Amino acid sequence: GAVVSQHPSRVICKSGTSVKIECRSLDFQATTMFWYRQFPKQSLMLMATSNEGSKATYEQGVEKDKFLINHASLTLSTLTVTSAHPEDSSFYICSARDHGTSSPDTQYFGPGTRLTVL
Amino acid sequence: GESVGLHLPTLSVQEGDNSIINCAYSNSASDYFIWYKQESGKGPQFIIDIRSNMDKRQGQRVTVLLNKTVKHLSLQIAATQPGDSAVYFCAENISGANSKLTFGKGITLSVRP
Repeated sequence: GAVVSQHPSRVICKSGTSVKIECRSLDFQATTMFWYRQFPKQSLMLMATSNEGSKATYEQGVEKDKFLINHASLTLSTLTVTSAHPEDSSFYICSARDHGTSSPDTQYFGPGTRLTVL
Repeated sequence: GESVGLHLPTLSVQEGDNSIINCAYSNSASDYFIWYKQESGKGPQFIIDIRSNMDKRQGQRVTVLLNKTVKHLSLQIAATQPGDSAVYFCAENISGANSKLTFGKGITLSVRP
């Protein structure tokens, strides 16, 4: 149980284009999902908290107009990197909480999406 | 601000030996802690968790110890195997509707055959 998927696993795009990454909870409903960014040999940095049916909460320093988050259903959240630039190249990882368990604070992570902006 | 940190960046152990990975946290309000394992190019994988009302929890080949007095968390892996080679992160959390994880810096575990 508690499986989270991401799509695509890897994407290469040209500078100035937009890229959408999907995060799905496969066997549970996730009212809350999280988006992280991880640079090589570094830890995970929380970008935003995505709540189903409401606006995302962004961490300090994360541009909400650049990283658009939509959480339209209990099993799907999307992250769109708008007007991507080479410095946005990173490993993007989502996670989800299963509020239906005895450990609702536990986050289960997706496999990550490697974004390379040329 | 408060943060979670790890004492050592790398740890090399012999296959079959026990591994101990340590983590310090600084937020005394944290009441839930998780250890994650991350293999290269993959997302973090849940290993084991512990709540602040406990000081020890055991899983399959893994044990987590929590010392709230000194704000210290450790992960013990028994009979370390090559497949245990990965980066390990500790994370802390304050339970509640708006809870979120704060990750430590990560430590690389390398298992020598």
